[in-house]
Amino acid sequence: DIQMTQSPSTLSASVGDRVTITCRASQSVSSWLAWYQQKPGKAPKLLIYKASRLQSGVPSRFSGSGSGTEFTLTISSLQPDDFATYYCQHYDSYSWTFGRGTKVEIK
Amino acid sequence: QVQLVQSGAEVKKPGASVKVSCKASGYSFTSYGISWVRQAPGQGLEWMGRISAYNGNTDYAQKLQGRVTMTTDTSTSTAYMELRSLRSDDTAVYYCAKVTGIVALDYWGQGTLVTVSS
Repeated sequence: DIQMTQSPSTLSASVGDRVTITCRASQSVSSWLAWYQQKPGKAPKLLIYKASRLQSGVPSRFSGSGSGTEFTLTISSLQPDDFATYYCQHYDSYSWTFGRGTKVEIK
Repeated sequence: QVQLVQSGAEVKKPGASVKVSCKASGYSFTSYGISWVRQAPGQGLEWMGRISAYNGNTDYAQKLQGRVTMTTDTSTSTAYMELRSLRSDDTAVYYCAKVTGIVALDYWGQGTLVTVSS
């Protein structure tokens, strides 16, 4: 099975900061990677699909990049509503794999 | 608008079974699949499996093979997930989610808390 490794596991940042989260796959996953945001007590929300495509309705400060084994989620200017946990997710043949998550905290 | 509405919280004893429902509305149910994802308290997301609402084909996470069954009722646009032989480590919030054409999960249910306790 392909393993997805996210880093960092926790990130402390201030409003207005540029934030980057990395997701590495144990082998190439092409561009089959998505990013989700989850707030406490809520269902996850799709932000990015196919590595770099912004889901409808998601603010443009979110962007995704990468292919193969290394991917990044970038928040260009962190807003108060962005403090949450972020997960990457890969689809491979007949299964999905999530990363362990990155919690973005207020510094 | 697309909505997935799940059944309510459940408390089960070890060894029992649970069946969670997920009623879809606002889109053509048979045109997309439904995935199930669970989240143990304070933990990350774990993919459980997927069902095609078109033909009922399923794929399950290897660790749950033999204990989980996913089904759909196209007459009511409802998906079901049954988990058997429950253990304490099955305690989690269970989510259903709509699978997009590009294999991401674009709409999610509100979650169903399943507590397994003697």
